[in-house]
Amino acid sequence: EPEVTQTPSHQVTQMGQEVILRCVPISNHLYFYWYRQILGQKVEFLVSFYNNEISEKSEIFDDQFSVERPDGSNFTLKIRSTKLEDSAMYFCASIRDSNQPQHFGDGTRLSIL
Amino acid sequence: KNEVEQSPQNLTAQEGEFITINCSYSVGISALHWLQQHPGGGIVSLFMLSSGKKKHGRLIATINIQEKHSSLHITASHPRDSAVYICAVRLGTYKYIFGTGTRLKVLA
Repeated sequence: EPEVTQTPSHQVTQMGQEVILRCVPISNHLYFYWYRQILGQKVEFLVSFYNNEISEKSEIFDDQFSVERPDGSNFTLKIRSTKLEDSAMYFCASIRDSNQPQHFGDGTRLSIL
Repeated sequence: KNEVEQSPQNLTAQEGEFITINCSYSVGISALHWLQQHPGGGIVSLFMLSSGKKKHGRLIATINIQEKHSSLHITASHPRDSAVYICAVRLGTYKYIFGTGTRLKVLA
């Protein structure tokens, strides 16, 4: 069965550095999402992406964050200048259409030192 | 106040027991999802509901739109059902709000 893949599985970065998290959604999917989960807390919606543009974003998704689908297969989340509080698990998800359940990647654990 | 509330927060059951996890929400939604998060962190989608009831194997999910309430039932629970079960609601087409999850432990 096709899967959503995320790389790397664990990223350790110094505070203030830029980080790019990568996701390869399922190939015929059209809607893409990023979520984060701080350790011990609930999953939080960051952003959704459809038709090559952001369709919805949360209050968390400020100017430090950006998303791209640079080549038709990858879907990336960039954090420009990381803070300690960005330490979390970041999940990517995709769906074919809005009537389908989401397929999640295994997540990238981001640790900011 | 959280827009999505789940109960109970923690649940321990004996193998074979019937389990119910509840989700209440306070916002207008277009769909509700039940998700399972394994100890390693991976998330699997179990159900997407906009009305009525769905069944898959030993899992049953129901939703009452008027009462803004959904339940996830597990029949004949098994230790492999041990996980965190998360209710998530979709607002419109694109935005989701997640509950805090119910941690289920099923003892052999």
